[in-house]
Amino acid sequence: AQKITQTQPGMFVQEKEAVTLDCTYDTSDPSYGLFWYKQPSSGEMIFLIYQGSYDQQNATEGRYSLNFQKARKSANLVISTSQLGDSAMYFCAIEGTDSWGKLQFGAGTQVVVTP
Amino acid sequence: KAGVTQTPRYLIKTRGQQVTLSCSPISGHRSVSWYQQTPGQGLQFLFEYFSETQRNKGNFPGRFSGRQFSNSRSEMNVSTLELGDSALYLCASSLETGSNQETQYFGPGTRLLVL
Repeated sequence: AQKITQTQPGMFVQEKEAVTLDCTYDTSDPSYGLFWYKQPSSGEMIFLIYQGSYDQQNATEGRYSLNFQKARKSANLVISTSQLGDSAMYFCAIEGTDSWGKLQFGAGTQVVVTP
Repeated sequence: KAGVTQTPRYLIKTRGQQVTLSCSPISGHRSVSWYQQTPGQGLQFLFEYFSETQRNKGNFPGRFSGRQFSNSRSEMNVSTLELGDSALYLCASSLETGSNQETQYFGPGTRLLVL
């Protein structure tokens, strides 16, 4: 079984500043994947970034990067240079070995970017 | 390439009725997963289908069922609706090449309100 913990229910961020969203996980699977999704108020879940448990380097996708610390079981999302359009709910999720399409999500972090 | 589509987008039903939601995956994607999102329980996995077979199922009562067609389109059905079934139902598709932890891409969701 997998578990994701996101301890920050919400945060305000100034436009153009960087923000770090915390995510810790628990799994006994030797191989797993960590995902971050963004959910604007419209409801659609937008894929942001993926980190495989055996990846040696931290994943990056444009303004998004993942600070992956395997020993600490943490996979924090860093958004550089925040934009007003980044205001949304952010979810961390994990999929374990042979999970067959089952993502286990955290409770999410609400981010509000202010001008 | 078109994204995941879900129909209908909004639905209002009364207790005791049944409902069928539809999901068309991204072209070429063969795996479809369904999730329920509520304010109280967050995002919960319902089931996953691949090649018309249910490979994984979450902890939901038998009133929740689904199926997948040969063109990978999927439907989920909820019978004998209860007030607590009011939720955003999200469908996601992935390529499914046989490797673990493939990225799931979500549709816009169906908002179901049960009165």
